[in-house]
Amino acid sequence: SQQGEEDPQALSIQEGENATMNCSYKTSINNLQWYRQNSGRGLVHLILIRSNEREKHSGRLRVTLDTSKKSSSLLITASRAADTASYFCATAYTNAGKSTFGDGTTLTVKP
Amino acid sequence: NAGVTQTPKFRVLKTGQSMTLLCAQDMNHEYMYWYRQDPGMGLRLIHYSVGEGTTAKGEVPDGYNVSRLKKQNFLLGLESAAPSQTSVYFCASSYSGARRQLETDTQYFGPGTRLTVL
Repeated sequence: SQQGEEDPQALSIQEGENATMNCSYKTSINNLQWYRQNSGRGLVHLILIRSNEREKHSGRLRVTLDTSKKSSSLLITASRAADTASYFCATAYTNAGKSTFGDGTTLTVKP
Repeated sequence: NAGVTQTPKFRVLKTGQSMTLLCAQDMNHEYMYWYRQDPGMGLRLIHYSVGEGTTAKGEVPDGYNVSRLKKQNFLLGLESAAPSQTSVYFCASSYSGARRQLETDTQYFGPGTRLTVL
């Protein structure tokens, strides 16, 4: 399968701590996206990083991409209880507008 | 803008029954997708469409059919429902444009349809 694989499957931290989750993939990509899914809801796009980019920031989110290791990481700084959700990476391999999703990391932030 | 909407939100079917899930988007997106999500798992692509009148198979197309008669709508049909099709179904759409190619891969999701097949 070409899909990305997130690690860890589950992560539990205290409010204020940083959360890091990783995504690995198998073949060369055009770009990689991170999405958040709150319980019982649809996915919401967080950030997209291109294959020629190494790092990208958006508010408290920091995404890195290492194409040599075929991996990406999502860092959420100063976490809040509202960050509790599942986080998915999606990889786009062609320009066909089709991405492949991993199984996600479930993040729990305790107040 | 309503974004991406899905109807119905919930449905219970008996084995062998048929139904159609409707997805509508008001963002003038070219691309539309149907995914299923099983408990504790990511999304698996069922079918997708790159434009009005076109459809293509995804990762798990068996047992499903789709139609894209209008640009804003993407229908997913189950002709003879099976318990293995119990899942949450998500529709998504994305933009397609030569000058904004990378935006094609940013997908906008609907709230999902929870389907149970008994």
